[in-house]
Amino acid sequence: GQNIDQPTEMTATEGAIVQINCTYQTSGFNGLFWYQQHAGEAPTFLSYNVLDGLEEKGRFSSFLSRSKGYSYLLLKELQMKDSASYLCAVMDSNYQLIWGAGTKLIIKP
Amino acid sequence: NAGVTQTPKFRVLKTGQSMTLLCAQDMNHEYMYWYRQDPGMGLRLIHYSVGEGTTAKGEVPDGYNVSRLKKQNFLLGLESAAPSQTSVYFCASRRLAGDTGELFFGEGSRLTVL
Repeated sequence: GQNIDQPTEMTATEGAIVQINCTYQTSGFNGLFWYQQHAGEAPTFLSYNVLDGLEEKGRFSSFLSRSKGYSYLLLKELQMKDSASYLCAVMDSNYQLIWGAGTKLIIKP
Repeated sequence: NAGVTQTPKFRVLKTGQSMTLLCAQDMNHEYMYWYRQDPGMGLRLIHYSVGEGTTAKGEVPDGYNVSRLKKQNFLLGLESAAPSQTSVYFCASRRLAGDTGELFFGEGSRLTVL
């Protein structure tokens, strides 16, 4: 079966760095997405990785290792507004997205 | 640019009632999706459409029907609502078949079935 695993909840301090991991087992691979979802709102796109390596976009970076079925989202210089759920999703061989349950990130002052 | 718009945003139903959720997108996207999101679970695909006049079942289609008569609209129907259908429903769209582009989401529709 297809499976996406990510931690349920993480806590970090304002100004610090946090890494949210995602492991996956899917039927085929056409890329991995990270989305941010604030409470009561819709998911919004953060990043897309299809090749191995690190993609940096401002304070956020995303890493992919296809051979290990592993990705992480790195958030630097954490701000209170980064408190949200972070969703990992893999696009399978049929170009359908398989979603993880999300990681709730709590930022403390 | 409105993007993806869902109506209604909130609805309370009694068991056995029917209703339709409307999703409209103005980006000329081919693919449209209906998801439900429940606490502690990932987004689960209910139905999707790869173009006008086509629909397909997703992961959890039972109890729901859909129609895509016009390219810009994707309707989700509940014929006889059940408490298990209490959830937040998200519509999303994507540009092309086989495209690895991002999904654009509507704001969500919160449905409670009593």
